[in-house]
Amino acid sequence: EAQVTQNPRYLITVTGKKLTVTCSQNMNHEYMSWYRQDPGLGLRQIYYSMNVEVTDKGDVPEGYKVSRKEKRNFPLILESPSPNQTSLYFCASRVVGGEKLFFGSGTQLSVL
Amino acid sequence: QKEVEQDPGPLSVPEGAIVSLNCTYSNSAFQYFMWYRQYSRKGPELLMYTYSSGNKEDGRFTAQVDKSSKYISLFIRDSQPSDSATYLCAMSARNYGQNFVFGPGTRLSVLP
Repeated sequence: EAQVTQNPRYLITVTGKKLTVTCSQNMNHEYMSWYRQDPGLGLRQIYYSMNVEVTDKGDVPEGYKVSRKEKRNFPLILESPSPNQTSLYFCASRVVGGEKLFFGSGTQLSVL
Repeated sequence: QKEVEQDPGPLSVPEGAIVSLNCTYSNSAFQYFMWYRQYSRKGPELLMYTYSSGNKEDGRFTAQVDKSSKYISLFIRDSQPSDSATYLCAMSARNYGQNFVFGPGTRLSVLP
């Protein structure tokens, strides 16, 4: 089954404790992206990647890191989480030039 | 002014009603227009997409684009309780090569 898998689904952490949210897709998509979703603000792009070893900032990249060492994986790293990073995070993938974004099920992050 | 605006709702309608969901945008470079549907605690899924101006119909759903007014709509005929979800509009310029910009979403409840 074609899917984007994110882990974990729920994460509660404390300020400053480094964390990684994993994302994996099995559709051989070149393009992968991370979004955060906040009430009233909708989906905002954090980082995206057009292919292996190619990453670029989205609209809200501050406080986040990503890497794309393999085509299928695109982890999101928060080196020193802060409470304003409490949000619902989605990983997504698509073919470059395609209109359909495939989303993961989301990771609800709470930073205390 | 936000790049894409959408009435957040919530919008409540009785089963069988015709629903109209709308987005306005400011960037005249947008050529590709999409509607994503997001059920509670799930990732968004592509519902419809259109290129440039005009209408597109798929079953009970019709997407309409008016580029001169920078206004897009999604109509749902004979609405069902299973249509209860958040509807996100999304837009892109130039052959989907650029990143999508999402509206904040409209929450719809269809009451049985």
